[in-house]
Amino acid sequence: DSGVTQTPKHLITATGQRVTLRCSPRSGDLSVYWYQQSLDQGLQFLIQYYNGEERAKGNILERFSAQQFPDLHSELNLSSLELGDSALYFCASSVTGGRGGFTDTQYFGPGTRLTVL
Amino acid sequence: GQNIDQPTEMTATEGAIVQINCTYQTSGFNGLFWYQQHAGEAPTFLSYNVLDGLEEKGRFSSFLSRSKGYSYLLLKELQMKDSASYLCAVRDSNGDSNYQLIWGAGTKLIIKP
Repeated sequence: DSGVTQTPKHLITATGQRVTLRCSPRSGDLSVYWYQQSLDQGLQFLIQYYNGEERAKGNILERFSAQQFPDLHSELNLSSLELGDSALYFCASSVTGGRGGFTDTQYFGPGTRLTVL
Repeated sequence: GQNIDQPTEMTATEGAIVQINCTYQTSGFNGLFWYQQHAGEAPTFLSYNVLDGLEEKGRFSSFLSRSKGYSYLLLKELQMKDSASYLCAVRDSNGDSNYQLIWGAGTKLIIKP
């Protein structure tokens, strides 16, 4: 158990709908990362937050948005869902968010499996 | 630019040794991570190398050569439960004090009895 929690574990919805995925980082970690992993594909970095502020953006679609709240939990919002959005969505957390030269290991939550029908 | 290469798939026999290679090209290298990911599960941290040389952790070892842009993960006494994908990720600087993780596509390791 990494200490990172994600809810829900599974989500089934229809095209055109909107969903929200939730992540709570490990105790003491200030940074949260969101990743998408389609079937048999690599990890695609979506976005990173550090202490409530956006730190880095990857290949995140305009239909997707995220935020990190004062209690450091984060939510990923996916709207106008398409069949191709079906994937595993992972949240990871780390202490410093990659700042400075410190070793900053990312620890992953169990993921949310999203199925769009 | 930034690039990480790993073999797509490897097969090995239970009880044997396997070496998974990772080559990278980055501008501000600051360490390399290896993660293990079983199908449908989250990646789990295996090792971190920032200096040249070999780091050993039980049956798993990781090696880094910064001058060659090369790392490998060595798995000994292979067990069936080692069947998984192994992800190489490089910590790279954008030129300021912020670092990002650049992920390889992963190597799927299949262990046969």
